[in-house]
Order: sequence, then structure tokens, then C-alpha cells
Amino acid sequence: SQQGEEDPQALSIQEGENATMNCSYKTSINNLQWYRQNSGRGLVHLILIRSNEREKHSGRLRVTLDTSKKSSSLLITASRAADTASYFCALSRDDKIIFGKGTRLHILP
Amino acid sequence: NAGVMQNPRHLVRRRGQEARLRCSPMKGHSHVYWYRQLPEEGLKFMVYLQKENIIDESGMPKERFSAEFPKEGPSILRIQQVVRGDSAAYFCASSPRRADMNTEAFFGQGTRLTVV
Repeated sequence: SQQGEEDPQALSIQEGENATMNCSYKTSINNLQWYRQNSGRGLVHLILIRSNEREKHSGRLRVTLDTSKKSSSLLITASRAADTASYFCALSRDDKIIFGKGTRLHILP
Repeated sequence: NAGVMQNPRHLVRRRGQEARLRCSPMKGHSHVYWYRQLPEEGLKFMVYLQKENIIDESGMPKERFSAEFPKEGPSILRIQQVVRGDSAAYFCASSPRRADMNTEAFFGQGTRLTVV
């Protein structure tokens, strides 16, 4: 399979806690991206990490990439209600961007 | 700079009719991707086009589906003789470079096709 597999499929946490989502894949990649989707709307790009990078930060987001284990993680610190959404990892390989099935994150008030 | 524009946002078709979904990429973007999403599922890659050319259509059903990205005008995803199983959200994304050149994709808000 060319797509990434997110884990867990669903996650509920209290507001203020940190949320961690993982993505595993099987093929070689050029880069790995994370996107957010709010309630069936269009996807919003969060962060791109290249295959030769190990960690990237953007605001409250931290992404790691371990190419030896073929896995990536997305950490959202100090979660907020507005972070409730589906999060997808996307593999960039050759000419395509392939999405996984996503993690549905629900932030509890 | 307007984002990726998809229209219509909602489309209802009877079985057997044709559905035409339009996507205007961001200004300066010559790479367009189409995806299909069923409820509570991820996006399934359908086709990748670069101006006037279909580069990769490995995710497109062999029959009834076609896509184009003409020199002038929006990209069109065309579904002929629609069936109930075609009901889904169809998303278009554009980018300024190929996916393997470390570029993000910018998404439209999608077209929700309902076949009745």
C-alpha cells in the first residue's frame, strides 16, 4: 500500500492536554505532510517534513520523521477546542500525494 | 490571491445523468489533483494533471470517469451515467510544482455529489 496508516483512528482528550498522532508507511518517500480537515471541508496544510529531516516545529505543532522505522508523529501541544478536526498524513512520492485514513481528534471542554 | 475554487459546492444528479465538477487552481499553479472522499474516510487519489496533460490517472475508475485541464479554463472532472455509489465529496488541490519537489497542496472546499 502506498498510503500512510494513522494511529489512533480516533482520539479524545481534555482541552489543554497534548495530542499525539502517528503515521506509519511502507514505501520510500520524498517528503511527508500533515493536513487538517474540519468537518468535511477542504484540507488545510499544516507542515511538510522532508525525508532528510528529523523534526520540524510550527507554533504548537511538532512533527518528527524516522525514515528507518518509516514512521512520523504529529504532536499538538496545549490543545484547544478549535483543534477538533481530522488529521491526515500524506506521503509525497513521485508525482502523487497519497493520504491515509486520518485520525479524528476531539478536544473535550 | 484567491484560493482553489471548486464549483458547484453541492450537486444532485439522478442515476444515469452526467456530473461535471470544476476546479480553478490557485493563480500560478499548473499542477492539479483530484481526490474522492467517502464519509468518515480519507481522501482517495484519483488523477494528477498538469496543464493540458494527464500525468497519472491510476486512481480513476476505468469507465465513466474522465478528467481534463485545458490550456484555458478550469480543470473538469466528468462522471458519466452516475450511479448511487458515485455519491461522495470530490476535492481538488493545486500546487506550483510536482509533489516530489517538496511542495504543499492547496485544497478547494470540495463538491458534494449526491446521486438520487
